[in-house]
Amino acid sequence: GESVGLHLPTLSVQEGDNSIINCAYSNSASDYFIWYKQESGKGPQFIIDIRSNMDKRQGQRVTVLLNKTVKHLSLQIAATQPGDSAVYFCAVVNDYKLSFGAGTTVTVRA
Amino acid sequence: NAGVTQTPKFQVLKTGQSMTLQCAQDMNHNSMYWYRQDPGMGLRLIYYSASEGTTDKGEVPNGYNVSRLNKREFSLRLESAAPSQTSVYFCASSEVSAGVPGANVLTFGAGSRLTVL
Repeated sequence: GESVGLHLPTLSVQEGDNSIINCAYSNSASDYFIWYKQESGKGPQFIIDIRSNMDKRQGQRVTVLLNKTVKHLSLQIAATQPGDSAVYFCAVVNDYKLSFGAGTTVTVRA
Repeated sequence: NAGVTQTPKFQVLKTGQSMTLQCAQDMNHNSMYWYRQDPGMGLRLIYYSASEGTTDKGEVPNGYNVSRLNKREFSLRLESAAPSQTSVYFCASSEVSAGVPGANVLTFGAGSRLTVL
């Protein structure tokens, strides 16, 4: 099966700085990757996704990088804001099944 | 557009009691899922329904049953609750049918917090 791990369970960031959240996966055949954001008391919400034939994808203030050689992906948040405080999950898709990492809790300091 | 609606939001049970968590989506999605979320363990799939009329076991199905009542509704039942089932439960849906390789972005409900004493 797929094993998905995050490098740091918590991340404290100064408001305005950039945040980088990392995720490692085990199955080299994984073909699709998704980042979710979960605010307190809510369900996870889709942020951005990337397919295995890409190595970078950008959204609004977010960038996902995929390194298939070392089976690693990262989520970069530019100019972190208080509203970015949340738990961030990476999800790895093999065929149709999603495997979630344990999550990184991001706290933004004013 | 409500998305995915779960009820109840909170529930306290005694060991051995039964209950059903309800889930409904209004996005005309084909697939629906039940996950549980425990501290430090991410989201784990309990059961899923690739399409109306089908259900399949996920990663942690023991102690649960599901019913895909129609395309909109997917319920999760605990027949005899145990303390190990204390968790936050999330229902999700996706447009793409499970079993079809490719994009599978899930839309989640707000969660149901269950405590079993």
